[in-house]
Amino acid sequence: EDQVTQSPEALRLQEGESSSLNCSYTVSGLRGLFWYRQDPGKGPEFLFTLYSAGEEKEKERLKATLTKKESFLHITAPKPEDSATYLCAVQTTDKLIFGTGTRLQVFP
Amino acid sequence: NAGVMQNPRHLVRRRGQEARLRCSPMKGHSHVYWYRQLPEEGLKFMVYLQKENIIDESGMPKERFSAEFPKEGPSILRIQQVVRGDSAAYFCASSPLAGVADTQYFGPGTRLTVL
Repeated sequence: EDQVTQSPEALRLQEGESSSLNCSYTVSGLRGLFWYRQDPGKGPEFLFTLYSAGEEKEKERLKATLTKKESFLHITAPKPEDSATYLCAVQTTDKLIFGTGTRLQVFP
Repeated sequence: NAGVMQNPRHLVRRRGQEARLRCSPMKGHSHVYWYRQLPEEGLKFMVYLQKENIIDESGMPKERFSAEFPKEGPSILRIQQVVRGDSAAYFCASSPLAGVADTQYFGPGTRLTVL
């Protein structure tokens, strides 16, 4: 059965304290791995798509990497406005299979 | 280019009533997906539609739930005879392509509360 697991469930960081979020997956055939950001009361906002092991993508303070079994979302020198829930999803057919997310809080 | 639009944003229904949720995809997108997010749970796929066709409804309950995406107008997710367990946030996403790992862009969601 296709499965996505994210860790940790929650993460509290001081402003400027870098860290990484993990997304491990077991799927029968990966077409793509997606990272989204979700703020309370809003829809998921697209961040990155990764297609193959070894691929990396960056956007401002965020960098996503992909291996054959997991993906990492690295946050460098986070700011309070980076506080949100970060969702990982894999696509094997047409639908996305989501993890339960990592709730990130960044304190000034 | 407007994003995915959903309405209403909030919907309150009493048990036994019908709920109709609407989704207008991004301009140029012809593929629509519906997901449900229960409190403290992840997003779960419900149904995938193209214009006038249901492609995959494997995540949608067999009873009381239906979806359509007509040739003209928005996609509609309909829930008949709602029960308290239907209370959730319902998100619509759209993409321009299918068959490849193409990005799905999400709307703001409709939050359904069943009293």
